[in-house]
Amino acid sequence: EDQVTQSPEALRLQEGESSSLNCSYTVSGLRGLFWYRQDPGKGPEFLFTLYSAGEEKEKERLKATLTKKESFLHITAPKPEDSATYLCAVQAKGSNYKLTFGKGTLLTVNP
Amino acid sequence: SAVISQKPSRDICQRGTSLTIQCQVDSQVTMMFWYRQQPGQSLTLIATANQGSEATYESGFVIDKFPISRPNLTFSTLTVSNMSPEDSSIYLCSVLRTEEQLNYGYTFGSGTRLTVV
Repeated sequence: EDQVTQSPEALRLQEGESSSLNCSYTVSGLRGLFWYRQDPGKGPEFLFTLYSAGEEKEKERLKATLTKKESFLHITAPKPEDSATYLCAVQAKGSNYKLTFGKGTLLTVNP
Repeated sequence: SAVISQKPSRDICQRGTSLTIQCQVDSQVTMMFWYRQQPGQSLTLIATANQGSEATYESGFVIDKFPISRPNLTFSTLTVSNMSPEDSSIYLCSVLRTEEQLNYGYTFGSGTRLTVV
């Protein structure tokens, strides 16, 4: 069974204090790993898709990386508006496009 | 990416009743999905809504409890039947326009926050 574990559950940073969120996964053949951002009362907002180990993608202050067992979401010099829950999900090959999600990391960036 | 309109945004319902949630997409999409997000839990796939045929349900979810319709490529409904307080949750519609658009990810609606009393 596919599993996704995110750590830490919650993270508090000061504005400008860089850090990383972790997503560990086990899947029977990875088709894609997805990062989403979710604000309170809203649906998840797509950030990145990663397909294979060694792949990296960047968007503004965010950079996602992928290995065979885990993915990291690096946040460089975060701002208060980066505060949100960050979700990681995997899609296995042959899974009929089912996404398996982790529980998320609640990020709070203080000014 | 696709734009999803999900209704209602929230509702408070009596136990034993049913609620139908609507998901309208601004363009034709190949795949539509329904997820549940319970407090402190992961987003969990309920079923894949198939156009013109019965939905494909995940383990632990059954058609009698969560009947789904998908009459065309832009619209789907999820009904939560015979509700109990345990059904209190956020229900989310999600779409993937085409398989080739995995780079753009799955798009999610804003969710329906259901409280059963």
